[in-house]
Amino acid sequence: GAGVSQSPRYKVAKRGQDVALRCDPISGHVSLFWYQQALGQGPEFLTYFQNEAQLDKSGLPSDRFFAERPEGSVSTLKIQRTQQEDSAVYLCASSLALWGDEQFFGPGTRLTVL
Amino acid sequence: TQLLEQSPQFLSIQEGENLTVYCNSSSVFSSLQWYRQEPGEGPVLLVTVVTGGEVKKLKRLTFQFGDARKDSSLHITAAQPGDTGLYLCAGARNQFYFGTGTSLTVIP
Repeated sequence: GAGVSQSPRYKVAKRGQDVALRCDPISGHVSLFWYQQALGQGPEFLTYFQNEAQLDKSGLPSDRFFAERPEGSVSTLKIQRTQQEDSAVYLCASSLALWGDEQFFGPGTRLTVL
Repeated sequence: TQLLEQSPQFLSIQEGENLTVYCNSSSVFSSLQWYRQEPGEGPVLLVTVVTGGEVKKLKRLTFQFGDARKDSSLHITAAQPGDTGLYLCAGARNQFYFGTGTSLTVIP
């Protein structure tokens, strides 16, 4: 596709359930980022991949959060045993090459944990 | 942790008015970016400023990077309803940081 796509767009989970959020970056983009965004606030960095390598996962809030990009294209953000505080929009972005290049964002996945 | 503080947090103005949004940090950034985000969508890049003191213009939007590269401003002239959205500054250090956001509403 022409842009970054994310699925699902909306996810409702019961507390304690596991969820998996998918990101399809722009074809050929080396870098991929995941962010968490609370309503009306700026996105907060979660993790960064360069191809299949996860170079920075310092923003992941707990060990319940796990991200992978096994073939250097599609990425999945997994949240285990979801908690209410995990409710947020999860944004994925990709950039052509290096850290600092323009990032192209997907529309996000809105996760609601009941 | 958000290193970039934006002000104001909310702004509601009439069409045709001018406004300025500020992005401040105690840290130096090699460059800062400004994004605009509409509801249900991801942020879209407006501009990147790189040099201290740099001024960039994009139609009715003027972006300035502070001399010390710790702050930036966005000025909108003659705001229009289509300018409504969440404005975000962002910069890279050890990780990529977004500002706290300014929600702008332009009333027709």
